[in-house]
Amino acid sequence: QVHLVESGGGVVQPGKSLRLSCTASGFAFRSYALYWVRQAPGKGLEWVAGISYDGSREYYGDSVQGRFTISRDNSKNTVYLRMSSLRPNDTAVYYCSREAGGGSCDSWGQGTLVSVSS
Amino acid sequence: QPVLTQSPSASASPGASVKLTCILSDGHSGYAISWHQQQPEKAPRYLMRLDSDGSHVKGDGIPDRFSGSSSGAERYLTISSLQSEDEADYYCQTWGTGFWVFGGGTKLTVL
Repeated sequence: QVHLVESGGGVVQPGKSLRLSCTASGFAFRSYALYWVRQAPGKGLEWVAGISYDGSREYYGDSVQGRFTISRDNSKNTVYLRMSSLRPNDTAVYYCSREAGGGSCDSWGQGTLVSVSS
Repeated sequence: QPVLTQSPSASASPGASVKLTCILSDGHSGYAISWHQQQPEKAPRYLMRLDSDGSHVKGDGIPDRFSGSSSGAERYLTISSLQSEDEADYYCQTWGTGFWVFGGGTKLTVL
């Protein structure tokens, strides 16, 4: 059974940094691309970033390009999201997701809340 | 990149059926999508992948009451024999090399 567990969320001041982690179990982690998706309070889902199975390719949404960095450690079954220059509108629940073969998202974590406020 | 358009809301009575629609933007009618359900205060849950020919593959444990179909640039999610627990937000999602796109979501109310 696929299991994705996010951690690292919290309250942070504007302009500061934060690193989220997502630890996976129940599947061959090193064979799958992983993505981060966020949801601002009362809003819909927004794709944030993605990383290929081997970490060689990274992808970012326009709203976070240049500020966020996605990475992974296949020896620890963990994907990370380093968020810098945080803004109040980055406030959201951040979900870790797995990409099934072919591109579809087929699994979700439970999410971790990031609140950017002074 | 494609854009996905969903109606903001839908409603139906318990035991009835409802058909939710996701529309792909011009020039992207061949894209497959996925449907996801988000019950109140919960994380999203993957329901199915739906291809342009209407073939679909459901996630583990998704009831037979949930089915998908396609017509041109429109992708549908049909829920039959509605139950109270089906009251949720439903999102469609598509993808390409290096990106994911989500529709704005449809809030389904089971009256």
